[in-house]
Amino acid sequence: DTGVSQNPRHKITKRGQNVTFRCDPISEHNRLYWYRQTLGQGPEFLTYFQNEAQLEKSRLLSDRFSAERPKGSFSTLEIQRTEQGDSAMYLCASSSMDQPQHFGDGTRLSIL
Amino acid sequence: GQSLEQPSEVTAVEGAIVQINCTYQTSGFYGLSWYQQHDGGAPTFLSYNALDGLEETGRFSSFLSRSDSYGYLLLQELQMKDSASYFCAASLDTGRRALTFGSGTRLQVQP
Repeated sequence: DTGVSQNPRHKITKRGQNVTFRCDPISEHNRLYWYRQTLGQGPEFLTYFQNEAQLEKSRLLSDRFSAERPKGSFSTLEIQRTEQGDSAMYLCASSSMDQPQHFGDGTRLSIL
Repeated sequence: GQSLEQPSEVTAVEGAIVQINCTYQTSGFYGLSWYQQHDGGAPTFLSYNALDGLEETGRFSSFLSRSDSYGYLLLQELQMKDSASYFCAASLDTGRRALTFGSGTRLQVQP
């Protein structure tokens, strides 16, 4: 069990560019979650997968955001046409059944 | 809307006991989790309550009262390494897997 792995750890990009983040969950976990966290705040839920099915999406997930989990293992989160307000830490978590969610270290996105 | 309220900061000395409170106002409620997060690190699961009462895990205990929409995290025998942010997070119903987090309590442990 190597924990939840996220790449890259840091991403700096210009406004208007597209970015993609990757999350590798704990191998036996069938549930995967994406959250966003800004400084001084708690994580905010974005979306949830059970295996390859995206079962829940937050209203925070605008049409510029898309997430996939094609084979029920790793997941990607893409942000198109990035805006200043997208600057945040993007956290991935995984769990099995109704067990606690285990978080990765996150990808810190900075928009110039 | 959904909200969880926590104190923004708490300061305590090494070896002491500290309690971090969390009150919630949510349209549904299934259980309350607690997470610890060091600066630059991942949130780490500490404890979970689905039923009223106290759950004990080593130096950490968590309490829930559904009738009062209230819970707390109790940290005993404080150590310097306990300096971190602590978040309560609600599970809103059995069909929803998303956690709704409070804004966090920054705990500073002093020698």
